[in-house]
Amino acid sequence: DTAVSQTPKYLVTQMGNDKSIKCEQNLGHDTMYWYKQDSKKFLKIMFSYNNKELIINETVPNRFSPKSPDKAHLNLHINSLELGDSAVYFCASSQDPSGSAYEQYFGPGTRLTVT
Amino acid sequence: LAKTTQPISMDSYEGQEVNITCSHNNIATNDYITWYQQFPSQGPRFIIQGYKTKVTNEVASLFIPADRKSSTLSLPRVSLSDTAVYYCLVGLADRGSTLGRLYFGRGTQLTVWP
Repeated sequence: DTAVSQTPKYLVTQMGNDKSIKCEQNLGHDTMYWYKQDSKKFLKIMFSYNNKELIINETVPNRFSPKSPDKAHLNLHINSLELGDSAVYFCASSQDPSGSAYEQYFGPGTRLTVT
Repeated sequence: LAKTTQPISMDSYEGQEVNITCSHNNIATNDYITWYQQFPSQGPRFIIQGYKTKVTNEVASLFIPADRKSSTLSLPRVSLSDTAVYYCLVGLADRGSTLGRLYFGRGTQLTVWP
């Protein structure tokens, strides 16, 4: 069984469109994240939710809006897509850390290409 | 959150031991040191984590000196399948204001040759 899954795996769209990426985890974790990895392989955190509550919101344009309907799902909606949004987006999850290993489990990524 | 510095790339041959060093001069008292591995077209995967001295698991060893300003990931007898990007991170392992805020940096591209 896939621990963290994302759909779609590839997404090609035109500038100005609105798109969503879905993420689901079956690990029973309390915390989920969205990361963006650019062409230079920099991996930067965008958002983090703990028990459906937004706890981390990095400097990300307002066009990006995460939504967490429940603990197992964290979706990312992007409005008015721009060329610079082209990247690989990773979803991740982790147990609520309480002094134990700080391990995050990543999904396979969604490669977004904006033309 | 402490940031890290690692070599951009390293090369090795099959069967050799590879040591990747990471500098984290501003590491805080409560910070743990964690390493992730990323293969092409996949998400990062947790390898090992430590706080001080030495940690060993079935995949790698992590050496941390007393001042904790650096750490070394050691991969014994690498194979072609160990070719990947390796990220060193520092961050809190318990609930706090930096919960989840991992800084991955650019990582080290390790290439293993036959």
